[in-house]
Amino acid sequence: AQSVTQLDSQVPVFEEAPVELRCNYSSSVSVYLFWYVQYPNQGLQLLLKYLSGSTLVKGINGFEAEFNKSQTSFHLRKPSVHISDTAEYFCAVSDGNYGGSQGNLIFGKGTKLSVKP
Amino acid sequence: DAGVIQSPRHEVTEMGQEVTLRCKLISGHNSLFWYRQTMMRGLELLIYFNNNVPIDDSGMPEDRFSAKMPNASFSTLKIQPSEPRDSAVYFCASSLALTGWRTEAFFGQGTRLTVV
Repeated sequence: AQSVTQLDSQVPVFEEAPVELRCNYSSSVSVYLFWYVQYPNQGLQLLLKYLSGSTLVKGINGFEAEFNKSQTSFHLRKPSVHISDTAEYFCAVSDGNYGGSQGNLIFGKGTKLSVKP
Repeated sequence: DAGVIQSPRHEVTEMGQEVTLRCKLISGHNSLFWYRQTMMRGLELLIYFNNNVPIDDSGMPEDRFSAKMPNASFSTLKIQPSEPRDSAVYFCASSLALTGWRTEAFFGQGTRLTVV
């Protein structure tokens, strides 16, 4: 079974500082990995995704993430955050097999990023 | 495409009443997910369909919850009877899933359910 662990439930950071939101996953098969962002009272929007190829993935709003298979991690980073980045961020994992319980899209508990001026 | 469309956006109902949440998938997508989000439990997967077939419903809380896909583009999540602990935001999401490949999931705006 797949699972996702987001180690930090809340991350406070000052504007223009760098940030890293951590995500670790467990799966017995090859995976697809995603980061989503949720602004207050809205649905989830995709930030970036890893399906295959380069392990460094660039997304929208200046975010990037690196897939590390040996450490089963997919940490999200941004070199300089803005007030508007304040939101909740979710890491998610899926695999490419369909049928049974595989192929699900499983989310972590989320990390609330709070950017202070 | 207008994206994933959920209705209603807000629902307030009395305990014991039946509640039906609706979701229209993005045209051409074949996977459908229902999630429930609460402060305490975060984002929980309730059920997942692929090509109209329920693949995994292990997240459905109990028999009071049921989900259907009467056709390839539409799904309903029904709670009967509803209870105050069902109060949450319910999201549906759709994606295109092929053997060994899938798109990301696209989310609707959610239905905020309050059971009083």
